[in-house]
Amino acid sequence: GAGVSQTPSNKVTEKGKYVELRCDPISGHTALYWYRQSLGQGPEFLIYFQGTGAADDSGLPNDRFFAVRPEGSVSTLKIQRTERGDSAVYLCASSLNRELFFGEGSRLTVL
Amino acid sequence: AQSVTQLGSHVSVSEGALVLLRCNYSSSVPPYLFWYVQYPNQGLQLLLKYTTGATLVKGINGFEAEFKKSETSFHLTKPSAHMSDAAEYFCAVSDGNTGKLIFGQGTTLQVKP
Repeated sequence: GAGVSQTPSNKVTEKGKYVELRCDPISGHTALYWYRQSLGQGPEFLIYFQGTGAADDSGLPNDRFFAVRPEGSVSTLKIQRTERGDSAVYLCASSLNRELFFGEGSRLTVL
Repeated sequence: AQSVTQLGSHVSVSEGALVLLRCNYSSSVPPYLFWYVQYPNQGLQLLLKYTTGATLVKGINGFEAEFKKSETSFHLTKPSAHMSDAAEYFCAVSDGNTGKLIFGQGTTLQVKP
């Protein structure tokens, strides 16, 4: 597809479980960003990749959150020991020249 | 550090009326400024952006915004609201280097018939 693809679109899990969210960026985009959007709030920055490396992970809330981008394309956001407060829409965006293109997000619900 | 404040979490206008959504920013470096729109259960779509040059920026769907450095503002306007404009609108600022965006809290635009 031409746009940023995120899977799953919806994920329901139980407190304490491990979750992985996947982002497939636009082909050729070198930069990739993860954001978290809670209900009624603006997107909150989590982490930014330039190529394979995390250039800025200052937005990750704690060490339960981790993200990788091993080949400089697809990225996975990993959340360990999920908590109810992790429930949100997780947005991914990719960029070539600092203009971000967003996916439709993965809605995570932690019961 | 950068930040964005959107004044008014909800704005309601009548169809055909002027739309004005307010955004003020704080930035220690020359800012890049953006407006995004989000329709229910959809991703963010770029409406318009200011990087350098002309301070009045025109975007999609008849929207425009003016960068006013002296007022640290980047308000979004549209002369005549349509029902289809009802959505959530986000203002964002970037340092123009990394592309990392800092978003405001959003403004919900309601358009009444």
